[in-house]
Amino acid sequence: DVKVTQSSRYLVKRTGEKVFLECVQDMDHENMFWYRQDPGLGLRLIYFSYDVKMKEKGDIPEGYSVSREKKERFSLILESASTNQTSMYLCASSFGLAGVLVHEQFFGPGTRLTVL
Amino acid sequence: AQKVTQAQTEISVVEKEDVTLDCVYETRDTTYYLFWYKQPPSGELVFLIRRNSFDEQNEISGRYSWNFQKSTSSFNFTITASQVVDSAVYFCALSDPLLYGGATNKLIFGTGTLLAVQP
Repeated sequence: DVKVTQSSRYLVKRTGEKVFLECVQDMDHENMFWYRQDPGLGLRLIYFSYDVKMKEKGDIPEGYSVSREKKERFSLILESASTNQTSMYLCASSFGLAGVLVHEQFFGPGTRLTVL
Repeated sequence: AQKVTQAQTEISVVEKEDVTLDCVYETRDTTYYLFWYKQPPSGELVFLIRRNSFDEQNEISGRYSWNFQKSTSSFNFTITASQVVDSAVYFCALSDPLLYGGATNKLIFGTGTLLAVQP
């Protein structure tokens, strides 16, 4: 079974703090993604990575950065947390072989972040 | 524009009823994939099905079935004889190529349908 784990299920931080959310997958997937989920908005893509050290902006990258130093690990960083970043954060991974059909993404359990 | 619409925000049924969750999509691509995910109260999204745009055959998996119709840009999901364990938020999603070659795709999600199955 594909396993995507996230470092915390619940996190409470103060405005201005630097926040690290960690994600690890054990299926040797090329692609990794960070989404945030907000009521009424569905899931929105923050950043993705298609290879080690490669990263690309998604739809809402402002206020976030990412790091992928190893294939299995993808970190989301909130440089200076703000209250509007209170949300559920979901990490996902998928195969990314060129020329192959689109693969499903496998999701972690999510981190519910509250910024006070 | 790429878009997924799940018009039903919440549905409540009684156990053993059949229920259909609607999904309508818009895409500029001729080749694309559609997905359904289930998000139970625990929060983790669980993959249910992937369907590509060239395969319009309906699919059945146990009590679950999916009806894909390109003519109406819909990919509806039916649960037969619903059970309390089916209570969850269900998301429909559409693939959108991020990079040339289409190997890396993002998923465009609908806003989800909350299904509550009452005993």
